[in-house]
Amino acid sequence: GAVVSQHPSWVICKSGTSVKIECRSLDFQATTMFWYRQFPKQSLMLMATSNEGSKATYEQGVEKDKFLINHASLTLSTLTVTSAHPEDSSFYICSATAGLAGSHEQFFGPGTRLTVL
Amino acid sequence: GQNIDQPTEMTATEGAIVQINCTYQTSGFNGLFWYQQHAGEAPTFLSYNVLDGLEEKGRFSSFLSRSKGYSYLLLKELQMKDSASYLCAVKDSNYQLIWGAGTKLIIKP
Repeated sequence: GAVVSQHPSWVICKSGTSVKIECRSLDFQATTMFWYRQFPKQSLMLMATSNEGSKATYEQGVEKDKFLINHASLTLSTLTVTSAHPEDSSFYICSATAGLAGSHEQFFGPGTRLTVL
Repeated sequence: GQNIDQPTEMTATEGAIVQINCTYQTSGFNGLFWYQQHAGEAPTFLSYNVLDGLEEKGRFSSFLSRSKGYSYLLLKELQMKDSASYLCAVKDSNYQLIWGAGTKLIIKP
C-alpha cells in the first residue's frame, strides 16, 4: 500500500525558533501533497496544497511567510514553522495523493506533534 | 458556502451496530470519503463512494445518496477498538476535500 512518513513524530521547541517537518511518500510518487493542522478535539484544517515544483496554495488565513512549504521532489515536501509561538502548538499532518483529480484517496502521514514553550 | 454536518458524538455497545450520518452541501461533487482517526493519530482511509448505493467492506459499509446530499457509515459487530473519530469528507468541483468536524464514537462493553 501507499505509505507516507513524517519526521519528526514530535518536537518541543522554544518560542522564536523555527521547526522543519518532513513529509515523504515512500513507495509512490506524490504529485500533490497537503498540509493539515489539527487542534485538540477539532477536525482537520487544511493549511496548504502543494504540487511538485510549484508554489504552494495556502488556505485563507494561513500566513505563507510563517508556514514555508517546499515541495522539492515527487516524494518530499517540507513544512517550516518560522518563529514559532505557543499558539502554533498543534498536531501537523501531511497527506499525499498520486493523482491530481478523480477518486484518488489521500494517504496520511502519522503526524507531527509540535509543542512550543 | 460549503458545509458538512455529522453528529459530534455517539455511543454504542460492543457487538452492536451503529450508523453515523453525514449530510453535505458543496459546490459540486466528486466523491465522498470516510476516514477513521484514533486519538493522537492520523486519519486512515475507510471508504469511498461516488455513485449512489451501498459499498460494503467487511464490518464497515458506506452508503451514498447524491440527490439527498447524504451518506452514512455503518459499523457492525462493534469492537472496543472501533472507538475513534469518524470523519466524512467530500471532494468538491475543484477536487478539493471538504472535511466534516468528525463524529466521536464511544464503545461501551
